[in-house]
Amino acid sequence: QVQLQESGPGLVKPSQTLSLTCTVSGGSISSGGYYWSWIRQHPGKGLEWIGYIHYSGRTYYNPSLKSRVSISVDTSKNQFSLRLSSVTAADTALYYCARLQSPNWGPPYFDYWGQGTLVTVSS
Amino acid sequence: QSVLTQPPSASGTPGQRVSISCSGSSSNIGFNYVYWYQQLPGTAPKLLIYRNNERPSGVPDRFSGSKSGTSASLAISGLRSEDESDYYCATWDDSLSGPVFGGGTKLTVL
Repeated sequence: QVQLQESGPGLVKPSQTLSLTCTVSGGSISSGGYYWSWIRQHPGKGLEWIGYIHYSGRTYYNPSLKSRVSISVDTSKNQFSLRLSSVTAADTALYYCARLQSPNWGPPYFDYWGQGTLVTVSS
Repeated sequence: QSVLTQPPSASGTPGQRVSISCSGSSSNIGFNYVYWYQQLPGTAPKLLIYRNNERPSGVPDRFSGSKSGTSASLAISGLRSEDESDYYCATWDDSLSGPVFGGGTKLTVL
């Protein structure tokens, strides 16, 4: 069973960069047919896709966040990471990492999620 | 504001059947499969329905999904107290080249 675990600071100051890492266990991040993604959920709100990465390093970002987002992968550690720059209070949210399965019969979909980590932006 | 539209709340009594709708457009639901996730309080979303109407192993057959045109729905029959949860629909958006979600529906079992 694949498991994902987010880690990183729970408090970030405004204008600084939010950095989170997702560690994948129970499967290789280099396995074909998958992308690795970040999603966030503002308090009491719905889910927002941030971006995703293939183990080859190919990335795709939500256009609304593209100018501030960077996702990278470290296959040797079976991890992928999120960096979100110039954060404001509006970036306070629960951040999830998740696996996107890319099936033969259609576009990718999320099949496994981490537990999520709360990041608060405050001075 | 979410790309997909869901009612913010739904409710039912034990044993009842409830349905949750999800509305989109031709760039997302219209041409792609719909997925449903259950998010119990304080936990990560869990895949409930994939490819419009298929259930992963372990998901009871009380849960079913359907899709027609640019809308989809999740039905829960024989409602139980443990079904009280938030439910999200999701699909792929061809214009965005990425996944999109509904705003979520909070189901209350009365």
